Amino acid sequence: DIQMTQSPSFLSASVGERVTLSCKASQNINKYLDWYQQKLGEAPKLLIYNTNNLHTGIPSRFSGSGSGTDYTLTISSLQPEDVATYFCLQRNSWLTFGSGTKLEIK
Amino acid sequence: QVTLKESGPGILQPSQTLSLTCTFSGFSLSTYGMGVGWIRQPSGKGLEWLANIWWDDDKYYNPSLKNRLTISKDTSNNQAFLKITNVDTADTATYYCARMTEGIGENWGQGVMVTVSS
Repeated sequence: DIQMTQSPSFLSASVGERVTLSCKASQNINKYLDWYQQKLGEAPKLLIYNTNNLHTGIPSRFSGSGSGTDYTLTISSLQPEDVATYFCLQRNSWLTFGSGTKLEIK
Repeated sequence: QVTLKESGPGILQPSQTLSLTCTFSGFSLSTYGMGVGWIRQPSGKGLEWLANIWWDDDKYYNPSLKNRLTISKDTSNNQAFLKITNVDTADTATYYCARMTEGIGENWGQGVMVTVSS
């Protein structure tokens, strides 16, 4: 089984700040890494697929990068509506999620 | 416009079989490359991918739950189904279905809450 470790578990940042969330796989996942945003009481929403491809309708302040075992989601300028929990998902071998990063506004 | 909606029993007792239905619109499960996945999330916790079914009736299951899961589809009526046998309290969760294109879970339903309790 591929384990996905997200860090930090909790992040508090100011509006306008650049925010970086990390996801580390227990083995090479060949860039089969997606990011989801889940707001309170809602279903997860796809933000980025295959490491760095922005899903339709997602603001350009979201971006993804990485390779091998290490992946990053960056929000270039944090907005109030970005308050949510962010999950990474690897699809290289079955599908396993990270445990999430809860993002709040400072 | 793609929409998915999950339905289920709400509450059931330990050892029973959980039957879930995903009713969707805006796409067809007979289209090449299309799939539907099932995912669950216990309250306040993380996500677990359970099973996928594809346009060609290929099926894939979470290895840790494989013996208890059965996924199926009714292409004519735009529905996908998931059965989980021998449930216990650990199966209490919100269950989601998602449209999958090229292996990516693009669109999700709103989820349905299922409680296992005696």
